[in-house]
Amino acid sequence: QSALTQPASVSGSPGQSITISCTGTSSDVGSYNLVSWYQQHPGKAPKLMIYEVSKRPSGVSNRFSGSKSGNTASLTISGLQAEDEADYYCCSYAGSRMVFGGGTKLTVL
Amino acid sequence: QVQLVQSGAEVKKPGASVKVSCKVSGYTLTELSMHWVRQAPGKGLEWMGGFDPEDGETIYAQKFQGRVTMTEDTSTDTAYMELSSLRSEDTAVYYCATPSHSNYDILTGYYPVHFDYWGQGTLVTVSS
Repeated sequence: QSALTQPASVSGSPGQSITISCTGTSSDVGSYNLVSWYQQHPGKAPKLMIYEVSKRPSGVSNRFSGSKSGNTASLTISGLQAEDEADYYCCSYAGSRMVFGGGTKLTVL
Repeated sequence: QVQLVQSGAEVKKPGASVKVSCKVSGYTLTELSMHWVRQAPGKGLEWMGGFDPEDGETIYAQKFQGRVTMTEDTSTDTAYMELSSLRSEDTAVYYCATPSHSNYDILTGYYPVHFDYWGQGTLVTVSS
């Protein structure tokens, strides 16, 4: 049961856009529109940012968007802000189990 | 608004067991599907298991089967996660997490499996 594959780190300058990929298999990401994304600041619990591939919970900025193509899901953050610097994790339903990605550290330069 | 409040930090010796609690307020436990996720120091999130409302049963990640037990006390709206035969690699922060409801979504054809709410985390340290 391998974790989903994410880049270890991404970076961008304030105001720019970045995209974090999350690659799974036909047994998880590719089979279900049940991919979610979480933001985690150091020492804090994760926070839901995107669910069911592209839906935003109430209160989450519309600068955050999600998409999926085949076995790869993506999180895009537009208009980068300093407070976006955090770790980001994708998560997918995989048929009676859940699987997380390894996490991506976003640095705002 | 759901609030999840977890029990305090624990220090255990290898081979022992630990039981972490997660008290629900704002909703009743029966309205939710509680899951447990852990995070080793400096590492990523790892799903341990949770309640599957489709089957009405708790499912466990294969890695933890036989060593983890997740239970619920609906009279106190408290969920529990017990992990046995602890080893140093089990040192981690353990989180309870849940979707905001456990109802079938006719439009999507799924039960919710995203985690709207998280506990504050419980650090379990396994050390001799």
